[in-house]
Amino acid sequence: QSALTQPASVSGSPGQSITISCTGTSSDVGASRSVSWYQHSPGKAPKLIIYDVNNRLSGVPSRFSGSKSGNTASLTISGLQTEDEGDYYCSSFTTTNTLLQFGGGTKLTVL
Amino acid sequence: QLVESGGDLVEPGRSLTLSCAASTFTFVAYAMHWVRQRPGEGLQWVAGISWGGDTVVYADSVRGRFSISRDNDKRFLFLEMNSLRPEDAALYYCAKDIGGALGGGVYTPLALDVWGQGTTVTISS
Repeated sequence: QSALTQPASVSGSPGQSITISCTGTSSDVGASRSVSWYQHSPGKAPKLIIYDVNNRLSGVPSRFSGSKSGNTASLTISGLQTEDEGDYYCSSFTTTNTLLQFGGGTKLTVL
Repeated sequence: QLVESGGDLVEPGRSLTLSCAASTFTFVAYAMHWVRQRPGEGLQWVAGISWGGDTVVYADSVRGRFSISRDNDKRFLFLEMNSLRPEDAALYYCAKDIGGALGGGVYTPLALDVWGQGTTVTISS
């Protein structure tokens, strides 16, 4: 069981906006800016899209944005496109013995 | 670019070493990590090592059994896995951090911006 909680699935239509939440605790998400988001499509390597809560990696479209409030981080994708389908994972620094942990992942379906 | 190798079918209790060859970036400047994905499950961070190799950190599930190391001259990352268990069966990725340190008073982004395609470890008797 992942320490960071994400919804199992979200869906939206092309052009719409969706938000994926990542809920942790004051020992991980709430403790640091080291929160990242990844897109993972089957058969491909995971792709970093957001780091340090809200910084987009170079080349990532501006319709991807990140935020954090307390112990919950969020990824918002506006203007959904069919190529956005895939699994999305958050990750966070943790003050426990384990340095880094991932969320359980969210499957995004673009209807 | 990162290319993993060494995945294999091994019996429970045996050992295996994974390798990851790096190219096209200044390997010595960045922390590196191993991340795995069990069949049908999500990503799980396994271990990380700072740019110079002086700081290594492990997930609770592998601490004491796995050992991460690097050869900066040859641009290789390694994961030595001992006392393998059925639950260690997974696709193992190596990944580059955007930062070089792993804690030690230095801010660590812990963001993995370059990933390999993975190497598969299967555990079966």
